[in-house]
Amino acid sequence: SQQGEEDPQALSIQEGENATMNCSYKTSINNLQWYRQNSGRGLVHLILIRSNEREKHSGRLRVTLDTSKKSSSLLITASRAADTASYFCATRAPSGGGADGLTFGKGTHLIIQP
Amino acid sequence: GAVVSQHPSRVICKSGTSVKIECRSLDFQATTMFWYRQFPKQSLMLMATSNEGSKATYEQGVEKDKFLINHASLTLSTLTVTSAHPEDSSFYICSARDPLAGAYNEQFFGPGTRLTVL
Repeated sequence: SQQGEEDPQALSIQEGENATMNCSYKTSINNLQWYRQNSGRGLVHLILIRSNEREKHSGRLRVTLDTSKKSSSLLITASRAADTASYFCATRAPSGGGADGLTFGKGTHLIIQP
Repeated sequence: GAVVSQHPSRVICKSGTSVKIECRSLDFQATTMFWYRQFPKQSLMLMATSNEGSKATYEQGVEKDKFLINHASLTLSTLTVTSAHPEDSSFYICSARDPLAGAYNEQFFGPGTRLTVL
């Protein structure tokens, strides 16, 4: 079932500015991941944050996780035109077998204006 | 990172025909693969979990007789859309998890297959 909800659904900013996207979820999770998808293409994995982590960095990306509020944020600093894409959060429920598929949010469409 | 491929990348077929989509893990063995569907401007929805050597597990609302899944080897899963209709037109994406990469490892996604049913 769809549980992730990103906001905003669409975001347009100027190149060089920071972009922040939020994601909320409803059930307990094992981890939360962020993916990027360029129009009509496959998914690119950006970053994974475990349920016992609060913040993680990777290059220009910063992800936070607040399990008490069941929410996460993705910050892209110093945005570039190439960052234009749709961004999805995805969660995996705690599972002994570890074979659960991911539940994706609705996504945020980010447009970086040159 | 690990590489997952899909074939074909794009297919157009007539209504009533069946279409097979392949998903391969190229540099690792995947005991479990996942199939997702994405309609235009929407998110990905998990359709089924493909288990090597056993039956697939389908999500609620997904017809197992319409979307046949076969995971015959540790590197290949196939999704067959039987008697396709225009409403089956969608972007189908598979993913796989490397079981040796630990409990928190991410899924690796294929590039997707665009199915258009006329």
